[in-house]
Amino acid sequence: GENVEQHPSTLSVQEGDSAVIKCTYSDSASNYFPWYKQELGKRPQLIIDIRSNVGEKKDQRIAVTLNKTAKHFSLHITETQPEDSAVYFCAAKEGFQKLVFGTGTRLLVSP
Amino acid sequence: SAVISQKPSRDICQRGTSLTIQCQVDSQVTMMFWYRQQPGQSLTLIATANQGSEATYESGFVIDKFPISRPNLTFSTLTVSNMSPEDSSIYLCSVEEGRNEQYFGPGTRLTVT
Repeated sequence: GENVEQHPSTLSVQEGDSAVIKCTYSDSASNYFPWYKQELGKRPQLIIDIRSNVGEKKDQRIAVTLNKTAKHFSLHITETQPEDSAVYFCAAKEGFQKLVFGTGTRLLVSP
Repeated sequence: SAVISQKPSRDICQRGTSLTIQCQVDSQVTMMFWYRQQPGQSLTLIATANQGSEATYESGFVIDKFPISRPNLTFSTLTVSNMSPEDSSIYLCSVEEGRNEQYFGPGTRLTVT
């Protein structure tokens, strides 16, 4: 079955810096890769996703890149703000299979 | 996206008792799921709640411990049976919409004493 690894487990940046979180997946058939943001005590929120027919997708300050050959995908946050502080989860899925989550990255943005 | 609600939002239960968690969606959805999230951990799928048939459980989760009902396309329940302190966790329902997008309910924080 699918296995998703996520790095780093914690990431501290200064406000205004960029942050990059990386995930690798094992099943080359996976074709859907969402990212979730979970603030303390809140539900995971879908913030961006990418499908295997696309190499990059942007939404304002966040972007996701996908390298199918290397089986990895990354979340990029530019101009970080304190409200970006949260735990971020990547995930991968193939067709009707279950969504498999990474272990999470705790992002801390210091003012 | 669909509006998802869960009841209760939190509960403190005694060892050996059972708790039923409800998940309500404001629109009909085909796929509903139940997850467990232990403190500081990632999301673990318990089962897929199938409308009109038995739920599909993931490895390590059994129907006797986590019975699930799905009477229609907008509602599901998860029961945590014969609870022990190890069952203390956050339980989340989720729904799949569109092309694989999955959205989560607010979660139920369960503490077993």
